[in-house]
Amino acid sequence: DAGVTQSPTHLIKTRGQQVTLRCSPKSGHDTVSWYQQALGQGPQFIFQYYEEEERQRGNFPDRFSGHQFPNYSSELNVNALLLGDSALYLCASSRFPWAGQGFNTEAFFGQGTRLTVV
Amino acid sequence: RKEVEQDPGPFNVPEGATVAFNCTYSNSASQSFFWYRQDCRKEPKLLMSVYSSGNEDGRFTAQLNRASQYISLLIRDSKLSDSATYLCVVNIGAGNNRKLIWGLGTSLAVNP
Repeated sequence: DAGVTQSPTHLIKTRGQQVTLRCSPKSGHDTVSWYQQALGQGPQFIFQYYEEEERQRGNFPDRFSGHQFPNYSSELNVNALLLGDSALYLCASSRFPWAGQGFNTEAFFGQGTRLTVV
Repeated sequence: RKEVEQDPGPFNVPEGATVAFNCTYSNSASQSFFWYRQDCRKEPKLLMSVYSSGNEDGRFTAQLNRASQYISLLIRDSKLSDSATYLCVVNIGAGNNRKLIWGLGTSLAVNP
């Protein structure tokens, strides 16, 4: 059973460029959340997709957009890249709406995409 | 005040030591709580869910204090392999609006 897979694993872009990151959720999961983790920081929530719609969004500008496909996989797009966008981008999959054992549930993470903007 | 706060450390302890981390949260409506472990340059992985009655898994014990709005993680008999960053995670909101709020993490280094 494949876990959460992300591609690419590493990426180098220049300022002003656009980037697309991809995520395939764990089998049986239908919800994908994206996080940005800067060096030495905890993951920061970007947004969550379920049924091909953005359901929640964190405090990120509109330069960050996403998409979810019928097979539950997801893309994160970042336009007009800034140096400060350099980070590890993590994708987490789960079952909506965080259903699980009572209120507890588990989000499974992919290995992340390390984006460097130069 | 941040929604979830942790002491960033680093905590440097010898093998065999007992070490405890605390995490405070500001939203009294928080419903569920987790500890994740993250190794350097790797993705976070769930270590333990934290239940109201407290729970133990081998050398790890998690406690929840709703009155004081904090959770704790106790590691007994530390191993070198316990060296990692421990992230406190709080699930807030209800229904379709639940979301996870992450602490910045506490760094642990277990030394030989």
